[in-house]
Amino acid sequence: KNQVEQSPQSLIILEGKNCTLQCNYTVSPFSNLRWYKQDTGRGPVSLTIMTFSENTKSNGRYTATLDADTKQSSLHITASQLSDSASYICVVRVSGGYNKLIFGAGTRLAVHP
Amino acid sequence: EAQVTQNPRYLITVTGKKLTVTCSQNMNHEYMSWYRQDPGLGLRQIYYSMNVEVTDKGDVPEGYKVSRKEKRNFPLILESPSPNQTSLYFCASTPPGLPYEQYFGPGTRLTVT
Repeated sequence: KNQVEQSPQSLIILEGKNCTLQCNYTVSPFSNLRWYKQDTGRGPVSLTIMTFSENTKSNGRYTATLDADTKQSSLHITASQLSDSASYICVVRVSGGYNKLIFGAGTRLAVHP
Repeated sequence: EAQVTQNPRYLITVTGKKLTVTCSQNMNHEYMSWYRQDPGLGLRQIYYSMNVEVTDKGDVPEGYKVSRKEKRNFPLILESPSPNQTSLYFCASTPPGLPYEQYFGPGTRLTVT
């Protein structure tokens, strides 16, 4: 069964600190893996998209890693800011056919001053 | 500005009263889809459309209808809403070709009493 599991469910950190969010997936066949940021009351916005051959991709203070062998991904946030408070969703696209996406339940991050 | 718009953003209705949530995109995308988001669960696809007059069921289509008469619009119809359809709904559109990035609308929070 295609699944995406994220951990932790929620996380509280202090402003300026770093944090890492985890994503494990069992999706086959694999096309790509995305990380989205979803602010409260808003639609998800893409942070990174990685294909099978990409190990690391950065977008400002966000760095995503992908280990296709262990089927794990992480999202590292550096020097957190209050505006980083949001839910972060890991999504895996299934290869072939129409645009089939498997969504994780998300990690809710709260950055406190 | 390239965007996906949804209306209404918030809606409270009663069981059995037909409603329509509109979705429109100005990016000339062929592929559009509807999702619902519930606490503790990942986004789940309701319906998708690969082009005008071409629609198909996603993972949770029961109780919903869609139509695609024009490329830019993809309305979601609830013929007889029930309380279990209380949820946060997102429309998304996707440009052709890999990585099939998704652009989400702002969401519609629906409450059915």
